[in-house]
Amino acid sequence: GAVVSQHPSWVICKSGTSVKIECRSLDFQATTMFWYRQFPKQSLMLMATSNEGSKATYEQGVEKDKFLINHASLTLSTLTVTSAHPEDSSFYICSGLADTDTQYFGPGTRLTVL
Amino acid sequence: DQQVKQNSPSLSVQEGRISILNCDYTNSMFDYFLWYKKYPAEGPTFLISISSIKDKNEDGRFTVFLNKSAKHLSLHIVPSQPGDSAVYFCAAQTNTGNQFYFGTGTSLTVIP
Repeated sequence: GAVVSQHPSWVICKSGTSVKIECRSLDFQATTMFWYRQFPKQSLMLMATSNEGSKATYEQGVEKDKFLINHASLTLSTLTVTSAHPEDSSFYICSGLADTDTQYFGPGTRLTVL
Repeated sequence: DQQVKQNSPSLSVQEGRISILNCDYTNSMFDYFLWYKKYPAEGPTFLISISSIKDKNEDGRFTVFLNKSAKHLSLHIVPSQPGDSAVYFCAAQTNTGNQFYFGTGTSLTVIP
């Protein structure tokens, strides 16, 4: 079955540094990938939709210069949190949309900014 | 390989009847299970959860049942309402709580 992986699964960084999170679809091609951030009470907020080869579409309130998304290939999308601050500490989850219109979620990346 | 599976991609139910959404898992280390509801173009919204020490958790119209021996959980919605029409994802976590494992979702349509 289709699997989406994320790397790293857990990252701790200092305030002001940048962190890159990778999202890979392992046995399917994902033209579209989504990035979510988990909020209290466990709901996931859609941050952006990324389409391979084009600029990501960001949801209202999400700073595109802070959360850089690159979808360079059909199997890889990256989220870079630039100049991270403690308030960026969260759980980030990606998902890939297969051509069957099925959405496969990654296991998530826990970011802790000190 | 998918460790959490939702084998029914879609389900249609008449308004007022019970909706039963099923989820199976393979990893016996999972000890916390969640159900999410998702509307198009939005992130999944947390609905209800259950710990592995329980076999049932109820919240209003929503009840989740866990059968650990069968590695199976189900979400019951009763009575179903048209506003319940959405995609429902089940998810599981291990006791370290560091990663989610999502199913692929079941699209529920409640017919008025």
